Amino acid sequence: TQLLEQSPQFLSIQEGENLTVYCNSSSVFSSLQWYRQEPGEGPVLLVTVVTGGEVKKLKRLTFQFGDARKDSSLHITAAQTGDTGLYLCAGAQTSGSRLTFGEGTQLTVNP
Amino acid sequence: GAGVSQSPSNKVTEKGKDVELRCDPISGHTALYWYRQSLGQGLEFLIYFQGNSAPDKSGLPSDRFSAERTGGSVSTLTIQRTQQEDSAVYLCASSFFPSAAGELFFGEGSRLTVL
Repeated sequence: TQLLEQSPQFLSIQEGENLTVYCNSSSVFSSLQWYRQEPGEGPVLLVTVVTGGEVKKLKRLTFQFGDARKDSSLHITAAQTGDTGLYLCAGAQTSGSRLTFGEGTQLTVNP
Repeated sequence: GAGVSQSPSNKVTEKGKDVELRCDPISGHTALYWYRQSLGQGLEFLIYFQGNSAPDKSGLPSDRFSAERTGGSVSTLTIQRTQQEDSAVYLCASSFFPSAAGELFFGEGSRLTVL
């Protein structure tokens, strides 16, 4: 059983469209992170959220942490081909515990 | 170097052989993680080192897997008697902060292929 469930697993859209990726769990997390990974490289951190209900914006990306700190979403507005990659959420159940990663959402933005 | 360095970048081995994968973390980072990633999949936790504390080995899939971190810096992941199902990319990450809210900096990974 996966602690963090990501959906959808695969997403293929056209440039300019909007999209939302979800990260859900039945467990409470003290913090949650989103990473993006491109082929042949390691994941790179996009954002960390720590407060229930928190919303963070990073240019065209909007991240939300659920009020109960069990889920998170990533919304991309007007997707660009450069947004293509594997998006991974990762959470820690306590501040001292190690990060658990979801299975990832493979996003392809077509020109 | 400025980032996390892993070697070798690619390793092809025969079933039953032992392999060693090396990770050189960012200088000053006290936390070091090993993860395994199958093609297009998420990251499977293997082991976590934090300073002088006993490592969290709860993710190691079998006793064929072991890891050590010498002098609080370089780490080596050893896989004995490799099996085909061990084929994957092995990613190392380091962090300055001991808590999981700290950013993980990943290396580019070591791609292991067991024939």
